[in-house]
Amino acid sequence: DGGITQSPKYLFRKEGQNVTLSCEQNLNHDAMYWYRQDPGQGLRLIYYSQIVNDFQKGDIAEGYSVSREKKESFPLTVTSAQKNPTAFYLCASSISGTLRTQYFGPGTRLLVL
Amino acid sequence: AQSVTQLGSHVSVSEGALVLLRCNYSSSVPPYLFWYVQYPNQGLQLLLKYTTGATLVKGINGFEAEFKKSETSFHLTKPSAHMSDAAEYFCAVIPETGGFKTIFGAGTRLFVKA
Repeated sequence: DGGITQSPKYLFRKEGQNVTLSCEQNLNHDAMYWYRQDPGQGLRLIYYSQIVNDFQKGDIAEGYSVSREKKESFPLTVTSAQKNPTAFYLCASSISGTLRTQYFGPGTRLLVL
Repeated sequence: AQSVTQLGSHVSVSEGALVLLRCNYSSSVPPYLFWYVQYPNQGLQLLLKYTTGATLVKGINGFEAEFKKSETSFHLTKPSAHMSDAAEYFCAVIPETGGFKTIFGAGTRLFVKA
């Protein structure tokens, strides 16, 4: 079955620690996205990538970094510079082009110890 | 800037009653419009989308939405609520003017009472 997987389901971060969230898709989509979800705020775009080896900042990129070395993979690193990382993180993918229905992974909940 | 407004962060209906979730967008040009559903601790799933053509769009699980250009609205309805419809619903827009963002509303949580 085609789809998007995210791991881990839950992640705990200690003060000053960088953590990496995994996102893999086998839908053969060119575009991938990372969103942060906080209660009552909907989804906010962190980073997106339209093609391998290229990515752009979204609305709230500070304190986060990404890479796109393979079409299937788009990992997100939450750095120690992100002072309020507790949130639900969603990865999505889509075809390129204007009509971009997004397909979402199951999410990773990040908690700070 | 393009925006999406969902009226009501929480909506409560009785089982069997009509579900109406409101969405308005700001745009002088009709965009592409979506409704997504999110069950607790899960990702979002596409319910339905409007691109061009027929303004009444049918989706999964008995939901439908009507694009009204004059009202800049895309409200989601279901004639008879079921307990399994309890979830959070997001309206989203891809601006016709381009760019690479999908703009999401803040979401409406639907509660269904027995």
